Amino acid sequence: LAKTTQPISMDSYEGQEVNITCSHNNIATNDYITWYQQFPSQGPRFIIQGYKTKVTNEVASLFIPADRKSSTLSLPRVSLSDTAVYYCLVVLPTGFQKLVFGTGTRLLVSP
Amino acid sequence: DTAVSQTPKYLVTQMGNDKSIKCEQNLGHDTMYWYKQDSKKFLKIMFSYNNKELIINETVPNRFSPKSPDKAHLNLHINSLELGDSAVYFCASSQEGQKFNYGYTFGSGTRLTVV
Repeated sequence: LAKTTQPISMDSYEGQEVNITCSHNNIATNDYITWYQQFPSQGPRFIIQGYKTKVTNEVASLFIPADRKSSTLSLPRVSLSDTAVYYCLVVLPTGFQKLVFGTGTRLLVSP
Repeated sequence: DTAVSQTPKYLVTQMGNDKSIKCEQNLGHDTMYWYKQDSKKFLKIMFSYNNKELIINETVPNRFSPKSPDKAHLNLHINSLELGDSAVYFCASSQEGQKFNYGYTFGSGTRLTVV
């Protein structure tokens, strides 16, 4: 599976939109992009997954350009409770596999 | 209702002891996993079971032995604990063959401290 690269940390303020970009240059045709969120002392939580263009749910939006070599997780109007580590992963849609977590992006939201 | 529950939440023990961590999921998933998150916060898979069969076994010391009595339970037994085993251990589950949009469900972790 393709390796992912994302910023180590980001800072934001309440009410702002936060965009976290992930690079996955070697993504394969069948791979999907998945994002997880991890709060302190909790396990990772699935946020969103997409293959191309744009995916939106109640938590976030995921933008994937045509070449799929990168993706951007967009968190609208963040609050203090969005402070967490965000992981970008490349996964296969089916089949046995292991999730390969990178370093993630530590987002700190301040008042 | 907790979807993936692990016990205990905290475990402090001395070097050389043997300990077990239990995991149960009530999601009806057929695949379960153990992940380890070390002090640097890297999450790495250790084992995976599908319908009680071992399908993923990463390079983990033989002191670690997973056991799956049924597809809803996956326990982790660790023999002769070492200082380097100190970490947070996460159990997770997923459904093989399901439309993948729901991802994996993780438990809240077991923080193991070996002293």
